[in-house]
Formats: sequence, structure tokens, C-alpha cells
Amino acid sequence: AQKITQTQPGMFVQEKEAVTLDCTYDTSDPSYGLFWYKQPSSGEMIFLIYQGSYDQQNATEGRYSLNFQKARKSANLVISASQLGDSAMYFCAMREVNSGGSNYKLTFGKGTLLTVNP
Amino acid sequence: KAGVTQTPRYLIKTRGQQVTLSCSPISGHRSVSWYQQTPGQGLQFLFEYFSETQRNKGNFPGRFSGRQFSNSRSEMNVSTLELGDSALYLCASSFRRAGGDNEQFFGPGTRLTVL
Repeated sequence: AQKITQTQPGMFVQEKEAVTLDCTYDTSDPSYGLFWYKQPSSGEMIFLIYQGSYDQQNATEGRYSLNFQKARKSANLVISASQLGDSAMYFCAMREVNSGGSNYKLTFGKGTLLTVNP
Repeated sequence: KAGVTQTPRYLIKTRGQQVTLSCSPISGHRSVSWYQQTPGQGLQFLFEYFSETQRNKGNFPGRFSGRQFSNSRSEMNVSTLELGDSALYLCASSFRRAGGDNEQFFGPGTRLTVL
């Protein structure tokens, strides 16, 4: 079974509008971390935002916020006031932390291609 | 602070050859992870090195190997290249605190083409 599911292969948004990119995850570990990365056409993965499973508040980083609904196992990324430079592939990823805290493997979703229209 | 660097950025090889890719992590980071990205399989974890030891390994054949040096720089090697090894190979570094880090920083990647 997929551990990270991104159901939107592609999304379109008008410049200056907000957009939500969906991500659901599957894990039985009580401790885990959720990440969002942006990958422009150049290929580099750019870290956007992180949410820990025990964090009480939703993470925010500038125009990025993470809508974390633990019971539903969802971690949607919200980008406010979209800019043309936001056009890129967006990946949701999860790190399951084992008892020793030694697991540094990220499991990625298939990604969502966001296109911002002028 | 300099970011994660990967060399070379682009590489063209033929089937049967072997290749070595290099990754220099952010200064002070001791963990280096490698990922393979292909259109069909997406991003897949290869392995992670910390303090010159492989700590985690993904589901890849033994043709894929790696190592880490005392300065935390890491290399990965792919022997007997196959067409399916054509991919973007990404390296990520992190400090590696107990309980995990909130950030893993990626390099620009090495795009390998196997002809």
C-alpha cells in the first residue's frame, strides 16, 4: 500500500490566489514527520515546510502553511497569494521515526505539478 | 553557508559501464542520503550514511553501493549500468539529531543517462 498519496497529478491556479495541494499518508508509527518539497524544472528539491506528528499547531512558513489533520491522516499544503515562480512539482514526504530515532529515510508521494497562470 | 553540492551534474554512460557520483553535505551535517528519481518510479530511497557507516538501505540491487568519508562527503557507485538506471540521483544532508531532523537539504542532483 502507498504510504504517501497525492491524488492531484496537476493543479492550476491564478496568480495571487490561494491553492491547496492534497496529501494523505499511512503509518502505524506514533512518531513521524511530514515534509513538503518543491522541485522546479531545474531538478533541485527545495524544502518548504515540516510538521511533526506531535506538533499541536499547524506549521507555517511565510506563504506556506500545512493543514494537518492527524485523525484523517492528511497533511495538505496551502500556498497563499500564488506567484508565477511557484510553478513547479510539489512533493509530500514522510519520515517514520523508529524507536531509536535513527531512521532518516523519506518516503515520497508521486507529486503534484502546479501551474500558476498570470 | 554553502549548500549540498553534487558532482558531476550531468553524466552520459553506456550499458555495462560503471559510474561514481559525489555528494558534499552542508558543513556540519554528518548524514547523507541518496535518492533515485525516475518518471516511472518517482523518488526512491537508496541508502543513508552517517559517520562513515551505512545506516539504512532501500530496495535496490547490489550494483548500487556507496560510502562516506571522514569529512562526511559521500560517493555512490553503480556498476554494470543498465538502461533503467537512467535517472536523477539526489543527495540529501542533515545534521542527524536523536529523534530526527526537521529538515533534510537536497543537492541539485546528478542526471545520469545510460545509452
